[in-house]
Amino acid sequence: SQQGEEDPQALSIQEGENATMNCSYKTSINNLQWYRQNSGRGLVHLILIRSNEREKHSGRLRVTLDTSKKSSSLLITASRAADTASYFCATANFGNEKLTFGTGTRLTIIP
Amino acid sequence: GAVVSQHPSWVICKSGTSVKIECRSLDFQATTMFWYRQFPKQSLMLMATSNEGSKATYEQGVEKDKFLINHASLTLSTLTVTSAHPEDSSFYICSALSGGAWYEQYFGPGTRLTVT
Repeated sequence: SQQGEEDPQALSIQEGENATMNCSYKTSINNLQWYRQNSGRGLVHLILIRSNEREKHSGRLRVTLDTSKKSSSLLITASRAADTASYFCATANFGNEKLTFGTGTRLTIIP
Repeated sequence: GAVVSQHPSWVICKSGTSVKIECRSLDFQATTMFWYRQFPKQSLMLMATSNEGSKATYEQGVEKDKFLINHASLTLSTLTVTSAHPEDSSFYICSALSGGAWYEQYFGPGTRLTVT
């Protein structure tokens, strides 16, 4: 399966700043999901946005989706040290439960 | 709810031996589970889809005779890495469909396999 790409690959910011990560994908999708992974651990589901949605919020998270550009962004506002992790986008096609993961962004929050 | 466990969390085995990794859905039944592989600082790559009571569906390039998957019950899927080699060292993660919305996957905490 073709992976999506995320940029930046790595991002370091000061605590309290906002962090933005971008994800691009190649095929039509039913939904796009963002996950967080702490080092050496499993994945935590953050948010899901459907193909007919353009923006979604959950706490300090804001996700946008532009299906015409086949891209999505994840914004984390007022970052905290605990946000340090890798963040992955994953896409699901219509009628297919399989997820295709992006390459990931390693986020480091500097206290 | 919707908790998925994996056992063991880490394992070291010698080259040529086989190792079994279990994936369990603790509080729900999962007719479909997925197995992923993740190399250090890389993304997750889907290895196979495991369906209860039927043969697993492997992704292109994944050797089905090397990575044996058994989904014998609605709460348990196992991945057996046969005749392991050092290049099989990786982080293996499973996920399970909750049976709710078709896209709701819940991930296990992963198993770190090191082959010496």
